[in-house]
Amino acid sequence: QQQVKQSPQSLIVQKGGISIINCAYENTAFDYFPWYQQFPGKGPALLIAIRPDVSEKKEGRFTISFNKSAKQFSLHIMDSQPGDSATYFCAARHYNTDKLIFGTGTRLQVFP
Amino acid sequence: DGGITQSPKYLFRKEGQNVTLSCEQNLNHDAMYWYRQDPGQGLRLIYYSQIVNDFQKGDIAEGYSVSREKKESFPLTVTSAQKNPTAFYLCASSTTPGGFEKLFFGSGTQLSVL
Repeated sequence: QQQVKQSPQSLIVQKGGISIINCAYENTAFDYFPWYQQFPGKGPALLIAIRPDVSEKKEGRFTISFNKSAKQFSLHIMDSQPGDSATYFCAARHYNTDKLIFGTGTRLQVFP
Repeated sequence: DGGITQSPKYLFRKEGQNVTLSCEQNLNHDAMYWYRQDPGQGLRLIYYSQIVNDFQKGDIAEGYSVSREKKESFPLTVTSAQKNPTAFYLCASSTTPGGFEKLFFGSGTQLSVL
């Protein structure tokens, strides 16, 4: 049973535009929400993460927005660059088991 | 440079054969993990180990086995009981035993069936 739903599956953005990837969860027992970035043929790398006690976290061009009541969180990439082209995974950690549940991924392509 | 090394990068398995994927880390991390990645799906946890000589099953452990005899090494064996082994396998480690925070991933092994 998929507990973290990620959309869209793929996203095409022009250079300089804003990329937005959304995730929704059903289980209220999640306490940590990371985003991972994966380039082709490589392993994912932690990009940014948020805990449910804050509504937004920004690191450079990357921002996580978190809506606890709606059980949704999203990744915003400002001023998207061709080098941002990768697959992005959201995840949620269950506070009882400590395990991460990953979304299905979004393939982002940024064209010049 | 510190990191996680997975080998081989590509591996082919014949019918009925067991194959072993290597994972070595020099980050001095206590916890290590194996994930399976299929196209269009998220990462699924196969096994994890929080300390040497101890490991736990993840969500899809059937058909796989692991060992953790050394802190830096966590090999995964894909047995003949795994009927659909074709996937991209990722090894990861973290500094927080049981925390699953800040996972550091290797570059993966693509396993295919001949």
